[in-house]
Amino acid sequence: GAVVSQHPSRVICKSGTSVKIECRSLDFQATTMFWYRQFPKKSLMLMATSNEGSKATYEQGVEKDKFLINHASLTLSTLTVTSAHPEDSSFYICSALLPGVYGYTFGSGTRLTVV
Amino acid sequence: AQSVTQLGSHVSVSEGALVLLRCNYSSSVPPYLFWYVQYPNQGLQLLLKYTSAATLVKGINGFEAEFKKSETSFHLTKPSAHMSDAAEYFCAVRTGNTPLVFGKGTRLSVIA
Repeated sequence: GAVVSQHPSRVICKSGTSVKIECRSLDFQATTMFWYRQFPKKSLMLMATSNEGSKATYEQGVEKDKFLINHASLTLSTLTVTSAHPEDSSFYICSALLPGVYGYTFGSGTRLTVV
Repeated sequence: AQSVTQLGSHVSVSEGALVLLRCNYSSSVPPYLFWYVQYPNQGLQLLLKYTSAATLVKGINGFEAEFKKSETSFHLTKPSAHMSDAAEYFCAVRTGNTPLVFGKGTRLSVIA
């Protein structure tokens, strides 16, 4: 149980276009989701926290207008990278706070390459 | 604010040898501590977690970790390494309802 499905797993897009990444909780309701970015051979950097029905809380240094997060339902959170540039190329991972326990479950990640 | 420090960005062991991955934490309140494993181009899989119950925590794949408050440590061990254990390992900490804070990761290589 407690699975988060993240899509797409890999995407290549042209510079200037937008890309949407989806995370769905399959068998539980995810009130809170976190979005992380991981650079090659680096740790996970928290980008933002999203709570269902409210605006996301972004970490310092993360551009809100570039990384749009929507958490419109208890089972779906999306991250849209707008006007992507090559420096946005990275591995993006979502994570859901599990209800009732002190744990999290992670999506399988999205490898974004901007050319 | 809480943080974790993973000592050693890369650890190499022989197949069958003991695995020891070190993690020290800093927290002003009792922490919840986690170890995750990540295989290339994949998400994170929970190995084990400490949530203020037993200090010796057993996880999946034969891994275990011991919470030592006096040493502010939560080292991950496995008695005998398998080739399939080669991956990136992350220690993480959380207090209250804060998001997970990750260490920088330790890459484990297993030599045949």
